[in-house]
Amino acid sequence: IVMTQSPATLSVSPGERATLSCRASQSVGSNLAWYQQKPGQAPRLLISGASTRATGIPARFSGSGSGTEFTLTISSVQSEDFAVYYCQQYNNWPQTFGPGTKADIK
Amino acid sequence: QVQLVQSGGEMKKPGASVQVSCTASGYRFNSYGINWVRQAPGQGLEWMGWISPYNGNTYYAQKLQGRVTMTTDKSTSTAYMELRRLTSDDTAVYYCARQTGVDVVVVAARVFDYWGQGTLVTVSS
Repeated sequence: IVMTQSPATLSVSPGERATLSCRASQSVGSNLAWYQQKPGQAPRLLISGASTRATGIPARFSGSGSGTEFTLTISSVQSEDFAVYYCQQYNNWPQTFGPGTKADIK
Repeated sequence: QVQLVQSGGEMKKPGASVQVSCTASGYRFNSYGINWVRQAPGQGLEWMGWISPYNGNTYYAQKLQGRVTMTTDKSTSTAYMELRRLTSDDTAVYYCARQTGVDVVVVAARVFDYWGQGTLVTVSS
């Protein structure tokens, strides 16, 4: 399954809402995860099951969607949220990652 | 708390092999699968393969078949990834990542919930 993400880069100002999209080449149900990666750090799990936040993830992060279209929303972007975000489908084995969306400061 | 601690960076010449280790703590090692993911400079995440510490079952990415071997040592809660016949294209940060279950048959077990800090492998003549 091929995963695509848009936009490649998202420029946002602190406090703004950010919407990141992920599309699968075929249905993955709700078996979609989102990861955040900051420079020089390992990825961190944000969301699994398309909409379930991982332990310790702030409520400003939310996920939605099913089938082939998914969205990660950051309701009010904080300075620590500027990072690259990857989606991953795990419905089919082996699982596959999207190319990432970089959220940077506007 | 769950921790995955990887071995240090490596510099290798083309044609050589590299082994990266990943030592787990804070949980029952046998009960969660370990995946290896790499990231070339400035690039995205590439899944390399999976191993079950419970029974040693493995599954490798097709493009790496024949060059990669993943093993575990249950006595030290350590996973290993060996990559052979290195080329410059193998220059990357290599991560181990725990998945949320031991096997891959259960779909919900395939999420990567904890990651190691990464190991930079540089291949250069």
